[in-house]
Amino acid sequence: GQNIDQPTEMTATEGAIVQINCTYQTSGFNGLFWYQQHAGEAPTFLSYNVLDGLEEKGRFSSFLSRSKGYSYLLLKELQMKDSASYLCAVRDNYGQNFVFGPGTRLSVLP
Amino acid sequence: KAGVTQTPRYLIKTRGQQVTLSCSPISGHRSVSWYQQTPGQGLQFLFEYFSETQRNKGNFPGRFSGRQFSNSRSEMNVSTLELGDSALYLCASSLGTSGMSGELFFGEGSRLTVL
Repeated sequence: GQNIDQPTEMTATEGAIVQINCTYQTSGFNGLFWYQQHAGEAPTFLSYNVLDGLEEKGRFSSFLSRSKGYSYLLLKELQMKDSASYLCAVRDNYGQNFVFGPGTRLSVLP
Repeated sequence: KAGVTQTPRYLIKTRGQQVTLSCSPISGHRSVSWYQQTPGQGLQFLFEYFSETQRNKGNFPGRFSGRQFSNSRSEMNVSTLELGDSALYLCASSLGTSGMSGELFFGEGSRLTVL
C-alpha cells in the first residue's frame, strides 16, 4: 500500500531551526518532494530529492534516505511567514502520480 | 508567465447534481493532474492527463471523471454528488517529465460545497 507519515503539528520560535520528518512506504519511488501550503492558498514547491543525501536551498534543506524510507525538511532562521503546512509527497514510478502525506502544520511564534 | 487557472473558484451544489471543473495549465505544460483536498484525508490523487490521455488514476469511484483537450486544458466532472464530495479540488500542471522539472504547479483550487 501507499503510506506517508508526518507529525500533525509543530511549534517553533522565530529565529530557531525546525526539522519536519517524513516516513514513507510506497509501491514505487521516483522522487520525494516537499511543498509548502499557507492557509487558504495552493501548495508551492519547496524541494526535490531523488538520490540519498542533503539538498540545500537557502534557508531550507531536505534530506533523503531511500533505504530507510525517510526524509526531513530543515528550516533555519525561522520567520513568521514560515507558518504554514508542509507536505511531503512521493512520486510514483510512472508519470506524475504523487502520494501526499497528511501535512505538518508549523506555527512560528514570536 | 501565467499560472494555473481554475474555474469556478467556489460553487455550491446539492446532492445528486453533477459538477464540471475547469483547469488551464501553465503554457507549455502537458501534464495536468487533479487532487481532492479535505481536512481529514489531506491531498488525494484523482487522475493525471498527459497529451490528452489519462496516464494515471487514483482510487476514486467512477463518478469522478476527467478529460484533457488538445490545448492541454482539462476538465473534471463529478456526477451524482454526495455530501462527502465537499472539498477543495486542486489542479496541478507540470512538464510531465521525470526529474526536478516534474514539480507540480498548483492552481488556487475550486471549493465545492455539497448540501
